[in-house]
Amino acid sequence: AQSVTQLDSQVPVFEEAPVELRCNYSSSVSVYLFWYVQYPNQGLQLLLKYLSGSTLVKGINGFEAEFNKSQTSFHLRKPSVHISDTAEYFCAVSDQAAGNKLTFGGGTRVLVKP
Amino acid sequence: DADVTQTPRNRITKTGKRIMLECSQTKGHDRMYWYRQDPGLGLRLIYYSFDVKDINKGEISDGYSVSRQAQAKFSLSLESAIPNQTALYFCATSDSRDLYGYTFGSGTRLTVV
Repeated sequence: AQSVTQLDSQVPVFEEAPVELRCNYSSSVSVYLFWYVQYPNQGLQLLLKYLSGSTLVKGINGFEAEFNKSQTSFHLRKPSVHISDTAEYFCAVSDQAAGNKLTFGGGTRVLVKP
Repeated sequence: DADVTQTPRNRITKTGKRIMLECSQTKGHDRMYWYRQDPGLGLRLIYYSFDVKDINKGEISDGYSVSRQAQAKFSLSLESAIPNQTALYFCATSDSRDLYGYTFGSGTRLTVV
């Protein structure tokens, strides 16, 4: 069975500072990995996804993530955050054995301070 | 109009009452899902449907039932609501031809008192 662990439940960060959100997964087969963002009182939006190919994936709003198979990680980074990046971020995994259904981590709440 | 619409947006109900949450979509997607979100637990899958005649239990289906009335409509019912079903509920859709393009609704905040 697949599972996802987000190691930080909350990450406070100052505006224009870098941020890294950590995600580790477990799965018995090849996986597909995702990061979603949830702004206050909204649904989830896809930030980026890794399906195959280059291990460095670039997404919207300046975010990027790196797939590391040996460490079973998919950490999300942004070099300089804005106030508008304040949101909750979810890492998710999917694999063919699970019928391509998404399994989510517990979420990381990012609070950007001025 | 939103691609995935959930109604109601907010609901307070009493323990023991039956309640239905509704989801409709204009994406033309064949697959639909119901998730619940709890603080620190992320989103957990309740039920999913790969087409109108296909209904499957997710990891936390106890206490819930669903109905896929049409390709565009997927409703979630709580037959007898209990306080630990207080949560934020999300409907999502995807297309079997594009398995990783999930679209989420804006959520229904349910409080059971």
